[in-house]
Amino acid sequence: SQKIEQNSEALNIQEGKTATLTCNYTNYSPAYLQWYRQDPGRGPVFLLLIRENEKEKRKERLKVTFDTTLKQSLFHITASQPADSATYLCALDLNTNAGKSTFGDGTTLTVKP
Amino acid sequence: SAVISQKPSRDICQRGTSLTIQCQVDSQVTMMFWYRQQPGQSLTLIATANQGSEATYESGFVIDKFPISRPNLTFSTLTVSNMSPEDSSIYLCSVKKGAYGGEQFFGPGTRLTVL
Repeated sequence: SQKIEQNSEALNIQEGKTATLTCNYTNYSPAYLQWYRQDPGRGPVFLLLIRENEKEKRKERLKVTFDTTLKQSLFHITASQPADSATYLCALDLNTNAGKSTFGDGTTLTVKP
Repeated sequence: SAVISQKPSRDICQRGTSLTIQCQVDSQVTMMFWYRQQPGQSLTLIATANQGSEATYESGFVIDKFPISRPNLTFSTLTVSNMSPEDSSIYLCSVKKGAYGGEQFFGPGTRLTVL
């Protein structure tokens, strides 16, 4: 069956360190993989999208990698700050899925000062 | 990007009643979706709201329970019918500007509590 797994429900790191979040999937061949940030009581906010033929994408302190052989995406936040504390969701889009996205359960990141 | 508003932002309802949630987008969009997010859980897609035709529901969700309207390219409603406490959740509207995959923009959500 199809599955999306994000590493550990919670990740705690020290300010200034790099946070690395993992998204693994099985029985999917996604055309796109996306990362979202969600703060308590709010809707998710889009961060980055990476296509199946791309290996890496960057935006300011954020970096996403996509390995379709390993069926894994890594999401990195460098020089992390307490304001980066939130839940991060990965989402997959399939070519054949009429534009729908399937979301992982999310990883809650806490950056301690 | 797209700016999305939802009404109401929250409501407390009695068992057996219905609530209609409105979603308004500031620009025309191709795709609109309705999600449910229960406390501490991820997003579950309820349906794709299709303009001018019936919504496409995901497994486990039916039109009688969650009727959806989409009269134009900027507006949709989701009704939660004959509510029970199990329907207590956050309901989120989202849009995609393109016809195929890509980034989604989400509304702020409607927090529903059913007593």
